[in-house]
Amino acid sequence: AQTVTQSQPEMSVQEAETVTLSCTYDTSESDYYLFWYKQPPSRQMILVIRQEAYKQQNATENRFSVNFQKAAKSFSLKISDSQLGDAAMYFCAYRSGVEKSSGDKLTFGTGTRLAVRP
Amino acid sequence: DGGITQSPKYLFRKEGQNVTLSCEQNLNHDAMYWYRQDPGQGLRLIYYSQIVNDFQKGDIAEGYSVSREKKESFPLTVTSAQKNPTAFYLCASTLGRSRTGELFFGEGSRLTVL
Repeated sequence: AQTVTQSQPEMSVQEAETVTLSCTYDTSESDYYLFWYKQPPSRQMILVIRQEAYKQQNATENRFSVNFQKAAKSFSLKISDSQLGDAAMYFCAYRSGVEKSSGDKLTFGTGTRLAVRP
Repeated sequence: DGGITQSPKYLFRKEGQNVTLSCEQNLNHDAMYWYRQDPGQGLRLIYYSQIVNDFQKGDIAEGYSVSREKKESFPLTVTSAQKNPTAFYLCASTLGRSRTGELFFGEGSRLTVL
């Protein structure tokens, strides 16, 4: 079974600075997808960024980018120019790309709580 | 606007009572999911359904039951057999075997057992 590990329960960053959240995963599959979700105090989960394992290029969405190291099974999230609204829980998630009866279910890490200091 | 609606947002239950959490989506998504969130444990999958009238157990299905009689609806019943039901419950959906696999989430329901 796949596992996702987020080793940083809490992180803090100064407003306008850059912060990197770590995520590692374990899988024997070669085709899969990785995601970062944000959960603000409202508790609504929001997709931040996704990465397809077959793409070598790291995904980028505005101030959010990832460092995808497939061989190391690492998928870190970098937030540039941090804003107060970035304060939230961040979850890393894995989805198999293999067609099987288990559908599109995601496996989540335990999350990292990010605080942004004004 | 399309989305996922969960109700109620807050629910209190006495020990020994069954409660049902509602999840409705108007995204025309095929698959629906129920996750449980506890502090420090992330999200854990309870049940999921890929098509109407079919569902599968997730990682922590004991003490829960679901039904999928309509494509739009996937209610979760927390039974008295669930030993520690106090948690935050999230419903999600996805189009099916989409290449992106993105899950869309509702706003969640917080269940507290008194």
